[in-house]
This record gives sequence, structure tokens and C-alpha cells, in this order.
Amino acid sequence: GAGVSQSPSNKVTEKGKDVELRCDPISGHTALYWYRQSLGQGLEFLIYFQGNSAPDKSGLPSDRFSAERTGGSVSTLTIQRTQQEDSAVYLCASSLNPAGGTGELFFGEGSRLTVL
Amino acid sequence: GQQVMQIPQYQHVQEGEDFTTYCNSSTTLSNIQWYKQRPGGHPVFLIQLVKSGEVKKQKRLTFQFGEAKKNSSLHITATQTTDVGTYFCAGPWSNDYKLSFGAGTTVTVRA
Repeated sequence: GAGVSQSPSNKVTEKGKDVELRCDPISGHTALYWYRQSLGQGLEFLIYFQGNSAPDKSGLPSDRFSAERTGGSVSTLTIQRTQQEDSAVYLCASSLNPAGGTGELFFGEGSRLTVL
Repeated sequence: GQQVMQIPQYQHVQEGEDFTTYCNSSTTLSNIQWYKQRPGGHPVFLIQLVKSGEVKKQKRLTFQFGEAKKNSSLHITATQTTDVGTYFCAGPWSNDYKLSFGAGTTVTVRA
């Protein structure tokens, strides 16, 4: 596709359930980022992929959060045993990431998660 | 730890006036990027500055990267209602590809 695609766009779940969020980056973009944005707040870094590997998982809030990327393309962010404080918009971004620096990030529309 | 901080958090501007928002990093950045997020939207890239002391202009927006590559500013002249939104600065620290975002400056415009 022409841009970064995320699904679902909206997800309402009950506390304790697991959720899976999907990100389909721009073709050819080697770098992929997950951020979380709570209402009216800034962008909280979660995890970064370079290809299929995740050199930086420092932002994952707890061991309930995990992410993977396969084939250097699609990524899934999984939240187990969701809690109400997990409610937020989860944004995915991809970048060409040229050698020597971080390139422009292209963001998807986000997945809005509401935990009841 | 390493942080990117933005001030002010909120900027209320009379239409037609100028304002500046500032971005400061605790450590040297390899480059600085600015993004704009409209209400209900997602962040959209505006510009990237790489060189020490670099200044770039986009119509009424002027972006500057500090000499020490630890701070940046965005100056908007003759503010319009289309400038409403949250402006984020972001930068990777040297030898780090992670892009860390400031908390943003949310701009509202009084007509």
C-alpha cells in the first residue's frame, strides 16, 4: 500500500483479555516503531525493529506486552491480560532508516484500544 | 536518562501573531525532526535538520537547529487557524536509531 496500515482502527475489549494489533509498514522500509499515545499526551516509545530484530525493547511497559516482526514487513503488538491503563492509541511508524541516521517516520492512523 | 523536552506545553495565539516553541535535549542529537499532529489525526513529518546551526524555512514556519545540536526551535509567523495542532520535536541520539519524541506543544488559535 501507499502508506502505513494499522488494524484494527478501534478495539474495545474487556479487562483481562488479550489483544493483537497489526501494522503493515510501507514496502521497503526497514525500520518499524511502535508508540503509545494516551489522550492528550505525547508519544511514548514502546519498541523499535530494524528488519526482524528488535534492538530496543526498552519502552515495553511490562511483560504483558510483546511484539514481533516477520519477513521484515508486518509487525504485531500483543497485549496480554489487558488492564484499563492500557487504553490508548497505539501508533505504528516505519522509516527507510538510511545508514548514519534516522529517516523520516511515516505514521499509520493508529489503533485505538479501549479496555473496559 | 536522555530526554527531549519541549516548551511551552500549550500555546494560545491570536490569529496573525507570531510564536516560537522550543525543544531541548539532554544530550547531542544526530538530527532533529519536527512533526505536526492535527486534532484526531496522526503525526505528520514536517522537516528534518541535520547540521549544526542549520535553519530551514517552510512558508511561515522557520526551523532552527542549535550549534551544539542539543536544541531546536520552531517559529511560526502570522499564525492562521490552519496552524492548530500539536507540534512535536524528535531526535535520535548519536549512534542510536531510536527516535524519541518531546511531549509536544499544543497550539490553539483565537480568531
